[in-house]
Order: sequence, then structure tokens, then C-alpha cells
Amino acid sequence: KNEVEQSPQNLTAQEGEFITINCSYSVGISALHWLQQHPGGGIVSLFMLSSGKKKHGRLIATINIQEKHSSLHITASHPRDSAVYICAVRFFDGGGATNKLIFGTGTLLAVQP
Amino acid sequence: DTEVTQTPKHLVMGMTNKKSLKCEQHMGHRAMYWYKQKAKKPPELMFVYSYEKLSINESVPSRFSPECPNSSLLNLHLHALQPEDSALYLCASSHMWTSKTQYFGPGTRLLVL
Repeated sequence: KNEVEQSPQNLTAQEGEFITINCSYSVGISALHWLQQHPGGGIVSLFMLSSGKKKHGRLIATINIQEKHSSLHITASHPRDSAVYICAVRFFDGGGATNKLIFGTGTLLAVQP
Repeated sequence: DTEVTQTPKHLVMGMTNKKSLKCEQHMGHRAMYWYKQKAKKPPELMFVYSYEKLSINESVPSRFSPECPNSSLLNLHLHALQPEDSALYLCASSHMWTSKTQYFGPGTRLLVL
């Protein structure tokens, strides 16, 4: 069972719509990453969060440590936002945080014009 | 220069071939990683190098042989691969093993015939 769960697995939206992707994890973490992967391409790091909220352009990421939950929001979505969005976490591992990333299963987003 | 580069972008090889994947970064990062990603699956960690020494081997078969000749370069030598090894191979780096942010390369898409 994956310790990092994402929802939805697939999402289709119309251009301009507000999009939310969710990520839940099972144990304490030191950091959570939101990553973007275009088809056939490498991975781009969007955000790294350990608390609160971050904003970059049309992207907003929030994390609730108590609820073990994070969301990625895209405002005014555009077809170029179409990609796989991956949540990845760094768990606390015994003596301290580890840099091993545990990845969620990803959310495939398609934004139609 | 905030880029991780990988060559080649695509590779097709037979099961008896020997080939190598190359990853390079010039950000002064001292930790480098190899991940394997099958289609529609999240990346899986294979190896971690910290200060040019192998720190983690995630029980990867010996037909995959990593090498870190210097702090900027990471190779993955391939020999006697199986068709199920076909995947996207991603390289990443971070300032140190304990750093929170990893920078990913574009990946090498490998097809084993």
C-alpha cells in the first residue's frame, strides 16, 4: 500500500477552471514536494512545503500537518498546465529526516481549450 | 546553472548489449540519485551517491551498475538487461543528502528489446 495517496487519479478541466489536487500521507513528514511531469519529460519541482502555504504565479500549495494533507491549486487553468502532478514526501526515519522521497501515484491533468 | 542534464534522451538496446547512461550537474551538489519510472507509475529510487560514495542501493539487480567518477557526474552502466527494464531513468541531485530539494533531469527513455 502506498503511504502517499493522491486524488483524483485523472482530472479533465476546461481552460480557465480552478483545479485542486489532493495528497494525503500516513505518518509524520519533514517535507512535502509537489512535482510536475510532462509526457515523456523530466520532473520539475513546483513547491517544497513543511508548513502553511506557498504561491507561485497561478499555483498555490497548502499543507495541514495535523491532518496529514496537502493540496495543489491551479487558478485560471491553461492547456499548457496539462501534465502529471506528483506529490512526494520525506518521512521521518528513526533518528531523523531522510532524503528518500516517497512518491504518490500522480494525478494526470488534461486542460482542454 | 541550475540544471541536471542527462544523455542520451532515448536509448534502444538489445539484451546482450552494454550501454551507459550519463547524468551531469554543475550546481556543486554533493548528492546524486538514480530513479526508475515505469509508465504511469511514480518514480522508484535505485541508488543514492553522497560525496561520490554509494550511500543507498535499493536492492537493484547487478545488471545495473552505478558509478560516480566525480562530484558533477553520475553514470549508470547497463549490461544484460531484460525487456522489463524498459523505463524512464531519471537522475536527480541535491546540495547534500540531507537537503530537502532535489533537482531532476529530463530522463533517459530506455527500451530493451
